[in-house]
Amino acid sequence: GQQVMQIPQYQHVQEGEDFTTYCNSSTTLSNIQWYKQRPGGHPVFLIQLVKSGEVKKQKRLTFQFGEAKKNSSLHITATQTTDVGTYFCAGRGGATNKLIFGTGTLLAVQP
Amino acid sequence: GAGVSQSPRYKVAKRGQDVALRCDPISGHVSLFWYQQALGQGPEFLTYFQNEAQLDKSGLPSDRFFAERPEGSVSTLKIQRTQQEDSAVYLCASSLSGEQYFGPGTRLTVT
Repeated sequence: GQQVMQIPQYQHVQEGEDFTTYCNSSTTLSNIQWYKQRPGGHPVFLIQLVKSGEVKKQKRLTFQFGEAKKNSSLHITATQTTDVGTYFCAGRGGATNKLIFGTGTLLAVQP
Repeated sequence: GAGVSQSPRYKVAKRGQDVALRCDPISGHVSLFWYQQALGQGPEFLTYFQNEAQLDKSGLPSDRFFAERPEGSVSTLKIQRTQQEDSAVYLCASSLSGEQYFGPGTRLTVT
């Protein structure tokens, strides 16, 4: 079945450093979404990417969707302590509305 | 307006008991999803409704799991004869057009 992997599993940075998480799907995706889950919280939607090669920015966050629509990345510039949490990508394949979540990357930010 | 709500927030069940978990989606959201999230893992898809129709139940782990949404609004996830491996957070999400809005989840502990 479809699998979505993320690397790294865990990243510890100093506040102000940049951070990137990578997402890879075993199959081509129709679109990809990114969610953030704070410790003890629930996933919160960040963004959806649909087009091959698409790049979207939200303030310090930059999201990319690969040309083959099988991979994606999230880059955070100049991390802040409020960025702490687990970042999940979630892919949708084919005509289904089913989302397959990635394994997640836990970001720790040291002040 | 109110977000997605779930009840109970915490449930402790003895092995073999039946449990029922409730989800109140955002009013007007057509799509409703159930996920199971184990500690340190990403949400795993269980089932999906569009209005009252259950369009995908491929993620339900066994026939002990049953979900319904009879009037296209509130949904209930029922687990019969609970087992220890059912211990997890059960997340409900609703959606109107792509992005999913998650509830706080129900933490189920089977002893």
